[in-house]
Amino acid sequence: ILNVEQSPQSLHVQEGDSTNFTCSFPSSNFYALHWYRWETAKSPEALFVMTLNGDEKKKGRISATLNTKEGYSYLYIKGSQPEDSATYLCAFTGTASKLTFGTGTRLQVTL
Amino acid sequence: DTEVTQTPKHLVMGMTNKKSLKCEQHMGHRAMYWYKQKAKKPPELMFVYSYEKLSINESVPSRFSPECPNSSLLNLHLHALQPEDSALYLCASSHRGSNQPQHFGDGTRLSIL
Repeated sequence: ILNVEQSPQSLHVQEGDSTNFTCSFPSSNFYALHWYRWETAKSPEALFVMTLNGDEKKKGRISATLNTKEGYSYLYIKGSQPEDSATYLCAFTGTASKLTFGTGTRLQVTL
Repeated sequence: DTEVTQTPKHLVMGMTNKKSLKCEQHMGHRAMYWYKQKAKKPPELMFVYSYEKLSINESVPSRFSPECPNSSLLNLHLHALQPEDSALYLCASSHRGSNQPQHFGDGTRLSIL
């Protein structure tokens, strides 16, 4: 059973704050690490797919880093806005070519 | 708007009923997926289809029967479900390859009486 863990479980920040979450995953048989944003009553939306150790990706105010040797990825949100409120899921892909999701970080951004 | 369309959005059925969930995409994706998501838990993979052939079955009970009639459609046939099968069922599609992002539908909220 693959163990993909995310922390914190939930986070409450104020508008304008910057924040980050962690995803830890098995460092062996790594193939890719996905990040998804899931807003309430909507479908999960892909943010990033990362495959290389040391990879950094950015999309607007959101960025992510990847360390495959130690098995972790960070997601950063700069200047949080209320529309960033969502559950952020990471998902690990190993050689079995299937996604194993973490339990998610629920972010709430208030004015 | 999601590019993966799932119907119905909600379904209530008895344990003896037979029903089907449907999923459709027109993005030319050749990999399609069914996930099950229980409250406060992450999505769990059920089935993967690649080029219309079943490639992964995560030991799902036979009361769930997937079908991929063509490259755009994915069905999940339900029969004799149990109350614990009540969940959100998500469909996704992607280009083939583990480094490809998956595109999800809005899901079908299933309740078993």
